[in-house]
Amino acid sequence: GAGVSQSPSNKVTEKGKDVELRCDPISGHTALYWYRQSLGQGLEFLIYFQGNSAPDKSGLPSDRFSAERTGGSVSTLTIQRTQQEDSAVYLCASSQAGGIDTQYFGPGTRLTVL
Amino acid sequence: SQQGEEDPQALSIQEGENATMNCSYKTSINNLQWYRQNSGRGLVHLILIRSNEREKHSGRLRVTLDTSKKSSSLLITASRAADTASYFCATAVQGYSTLTFGKGTMLLVSP
Repeated sequence: GAGVSQSPSNKVTEKGKDVELRCDPISGHTALYWYRQSLGQGLEFLIYFQGNSAPDKSGLPSDRFSAERTGGSVSTLTIQRTQQEDSAVYLCASSQAGGIDTQYFGPGTRLTVL
Repeated sequence: SQQGEEDPQALSIQEGENATMNCSYKTSINNLQWYRQNSGRGLVHLILIRSNEREKHSGRLRVTLDTSKKSSSLLITASRAADTASYFCATAVQGYSTLTFGKGTMLLVSP
């Protein structure tokens, strides 16, 4: 079946502009995660959605970052007033049950803020 | 923090050699997972080992888990140039909402 997809694959924007990144999880997966990975670094957890529960937003670095998950499926990560330090690869993952379960990753969106 | 930490940070070997990467963590876990990442894009799940398991195999991969030492190792036997990638361990703790990933080991396999 189809894996996790993300769009766009690359995004170049100017400092101060807003950007929206999209994630389509594997059908039937109740859990969805967003991570950020700066060059040569590990994964930084951003936000976690599980079913209809309130999302775990504990990893969002500032109030410029927000995310939604509509209908328990597609998710959008929005970064407002982008800064150069927001440049990174943004990875989305989904899992069947969340928590300790295996995660399946999308190819990521490489964001460059000029 | 229960974050896993991989060791070494980088490893360079020749094709045909074995590669061993280690992961240490701090708290009791439910399972530990290894992932591979090529060229800074999406991670691919390789293998999961549960806390009551000591060793697991998958093709050329062998994973061990020592819960008394809170450590795991990933062995790739007879490495190939295509194994060049970053390898991450991730720890899973019951009740936590997500896995916690380490910073990864960069493996370079030269032909």
